[in-house]
Amino acid sequence: DVKVTQSSRYLVKRTGEKVFLECVQDMDHENMFWYRQDPGLGLRLIYFSYDVKMKEKGDIPEGYSVSREKKERFSLILESASTNQTSMYLCASALLNYNEQFFGPGTRLTVL
Amino acid sequence: QKEVEQDPGPLSVPEGAIVSLNCTYSNSAFQYFMWYRQYSRKGPELLMYTYSSGNKEDGRFTAQVDKSSKYISLFIRDSQPSDSATYLCAMSDSSASKIIFGSGTRLSIRP
Repeated sequence: DVKVTQSSRYLVKRTGEKVFLECVQDMDHENMFWYRQDPGLGLRLIYFSYDVKMKEKGDIPEGYSVSREKKERFSLILESASTNQTSMYLCASALLNYNEQFFGPGTRLTVL
Repeated sequence: QKEVEQDPGPLSVPEGAIVSLNCTYSNSAFQYFMWYRQYSRKGPELLMYTYSSGNKEDGRFTAQVDKSSKYISLFIRDSQPSDSATYLCAMSDSSASKIIFGSGTRLSIRP
């Protein structure tokens, strides 16, 4: 079974702090994704990566950056957290078919 | 207008009922249609995956796609309390390079 793990289930940060969210997958998947999930808005793609050190912007990349130094690990960075980044953050991975994504349990981030 | 529209619910039905969950979409280029299920405090998991129009059945679940109406459905027969979850429709075009998700319908099955 594919396992996608995220570093924290719940996180509380202050406005202006730098925040790191980490995601690790154990199935050698090429592709990894970061989404945020908000009520009424569904899942929105922030960034994705199709290979080590490669990244592409999704629909809402502003205020975020990513890092993929190793195939199994994909990090989301909030350079200066703001209250409007309070959300559920979901990481996913996929082998070749983007339609079949395996999700982690999510990190609920609150920015005060 | 959103590319994918999904009624957020909540939808509450008694155990054993047939459940119908639906999404509409506006982009005629969509070719792949998925249903993901998300339990509370968990990430989504792929439940059904179909290509183009038609029906696909898997146990108690049937996915239906009507491309002429730009309408997809997920039917759950003999619903169980364990089916209580949020169901997200998702779709992509022939390149399958990007998925668009619906906002999800919260379903509750009453014992």
